[in-house]
Amino acid sequence: EPEVTQTPSHQVTQMGQEVILRCVPISNHLYFYWYRQILGQKVEFLVSFYNNEISEKSEIFDDQFSVERPDGSNFTLKIRSTKLEDSAMYFCASSTGPGELFFGEGSRLTVL
Amino acid sequence: AQSVTQPDIHITVSEGASLELRCNYSYGATPYLFWYVQSPGQGLQLLLKYFSGDTLVQGIKGFEAEFKRSQSSFNLRKPSVHWSDAAEYFCAVLRTDSWGKLQFGAGTQVVVTP
Repeated sequence: EPEVTQTPSHQVTQMGQEVILRCVPISNHLYFYWYRQILGQKVEFLVSFYNNEISEKSEIFDDQFSVERPDGSNFTLKIRSTKLEDSAMYFCASSTGPGELFFGEGSRLTVL
Repeated sequence: AQSVTQPDIHITVSEGASLELRCNYSYGATPYLFWYVQSPGQGLQLLLKYFSGDTLVQGIKGFEAEFKRSQSSFNLRKPSVHWSDAAEYFCAVLRTDSWGKLQFGAGTQVVVTP
């Protein structure tokens, strides 16, 4: 069964460092997303991406965040200068249609 | 304000017993509705969805959910739980003008006892 894969599964970084989280969406999907879940809190939408541009983003997704589809298979989330409050599980997802998102297993980011 | 509420943070159920997880939403119009499940160390898996039509929807793993417009609810049910159903369950809604900006509830942790 096709799946969304994410790397790394866990990353520890120092505050102020740049982090790139990587995702390989399902191959025939056209819509890509990042969500995050801070420990003990709800899963929150960050951004959606279609046709090589951002289609929606939340207020969380400020200038410190960026997304890119550098080639035909990867979808990345970059955090330019990490803060302590960026510590969370980050989920990548992809879909062919509205709402039927397929999620990866997540990348846990710990900012020290 | 738009919101999704899962009133039960934690439910314990015996194996073989029935399970019902509650979800209420507050939106201006009927959104698309979903239930996702997250097993430990796993990503979120779609159990079922409601877009329109029949208000009782069937999903994977023997789950079903019923949409009740009058109550703004979309409760998830399973007649007989298995130990493998122990997981966290998330209700989510999607505005009909959005493709993927899901709004999730806080989740309900289900523990299954022998």
